Amino acid sequence: DIQMTQSPSSLSASVGDRVTITCRASQGISNYLAWFQQKPGKAPKSLIYAASSLQSGVPSKFSGSGSGTDFTLTISSLQPEDFATYYCQQYKSYPLTFGGGTKVEIK
Amino acid sequence: EVQLVESGGGLVQPGGSLRLSCAASGFTFSDHYMDWVRQAPGKGLEWVGRTRMKANSYTTEYAASVKGRFTISRDDSKNSLYLQMNSLKTEDTAVYFCARDRGGSFSEIDYWGQGTLVTVSS
Repeated sequence: DIQMTQSPSSLSASVGDRVTITCRASQGISNYLAWFQQKPGKAPKSLIYAASSLQSGVPSKFSGSGSGTDFTLTISSLQPEDFATYYCQQYKSYPLTFGGGTKVEIK
Repeated sequence: EVQLVESGGGLVQPGGSLRLSCAASGFTFSDHYMDWVRQAPGKGLEWVGRTRMKANSYTTEYAASVKGRFTISRDDSKNSLYLQMNSLKTEDTAVYFCARDRGGSFSEIDYWGQGTLVTVSS
């Protein structure tokens, strides 16, 4: 199985900050990497697919990069609605696997 | 508008069975792979399994933790996805999400349902 490791597991940031979350795969997954946002008590929301492509309707303040084993999700200017938990997921091979999540909290 | 609505969750005893349903609307259901993903209380997301389309003989994939106990099926005529859960364990307690894959092979999840809670307890 491909293990997905996210870092940090949590972070505190202020409104307006630039935030970067890292996701590392235990083996190469090309660009078969997705990012999701989840707020407490809600379903996840799809943000990015193919490592860097925005899902329809997702604001451009979100961006993704990487290929192979190392990936990043960047939020260019954190807004109050962005405080949430973010998950990466590889879909290169079965079983599909998620990272452990990164909780973005208000400083 | 894509909508996925799960139902069928509830309280079940260890060793029991439960069948979850997911009603899909707003898109051509038969053209998409579909997934189940779960989330135990206070924990992260765990992929449960996937069903492919008719063109792929409705074949399925499962996480090791549920293989042999859970069965995913679909009824394209009813735009519905199902998760039959047998031999339930306390560690299967979770919110279960139905999710749509954007396309076919090597396709990512693009839409999620709101989830249904399954509690396995005596």
